[in-house]
Amino acid sequence: DAGITQSPRHKVTETGTPVTLRCHQTENHRYMYWYRQDPGHGLRLIHYSYGVKDTDKGEVSDGYSVSRSKTEDFLLTLESATSSQTSVYFCAIKDSRSNQPQHFGDGTRLSIL
Amino acid sequence: GENVEQHPSTLSVQEGDSAVIKCTYSDSASNYFPWYKQELGKGPQLIIDIRSNVGEKKDQRIAVTLNKTAKHFSLHITETQPEDSAVYFCAPNGGTSYGKLTFGQGTILTVHP
Repeated sequence: DAGITQSPRHKVTETGTPVTLRCHQTENHRYMYWYRQDPGHGLRLIHYSYGVKDTDKGEVSDGYSVSRSKTEDFLLTLESATSSQTSVYFCAIKDSRSNQPQHFGDGTRLSIL
Repeated sequence: GENVEQHPSTLSVQEGDSAVIKCTYSDSASNYFPWYKQELGKGPQLIIDIRSNVGEKKDQRIAVTLNKTAKHFSLHITETQPEDSAVYFCAPNGGTSYGKLTFGQGTILTVHP
């Protein structure tokens, strides 16, 4: 299995609080991605990174920010969590060669009350 | 952006039967076509992929076929087993840079013993 660790695995928090999810990889891959998964929507891309300090928005980026200060870590932050951000969040990594697969972590289940 | 439709949304088969899931995409620039399997509580796992210069690829009981003219590709599972029960996603790349994928809505496959 690809060396991807997501933390925490589960979190319950209240509306309006800040939340940071962490993705850590040991593969030294260039690309990293954050997705959210909701019933009926498959996986939707939130943000992605193509290198240290190089990030860009995905399909559903509103209300989220990211940071990547080193190759192995990609952080997803909800500045002020809302109930609509209750979801399962997945991190994925990919090496720099073209048309190579993304490999996924096991997800973080986030509940915002 | 890429529009992806996956059918059927649910599929129920008897053990030993074959299962076929179809994915239709919109972006003719797509050149990478993976299928992922997701088991309960886990992240998606790549099971097979195909690149645009190939029409079919097989790996034991699993195969993927690609029709670029019609813009669809299909997952074929033969001699299904109960452990094949999972959610399956297609995720063409839309010819995008940075390895971004667009996921279908998923197919819940149930294999009855």
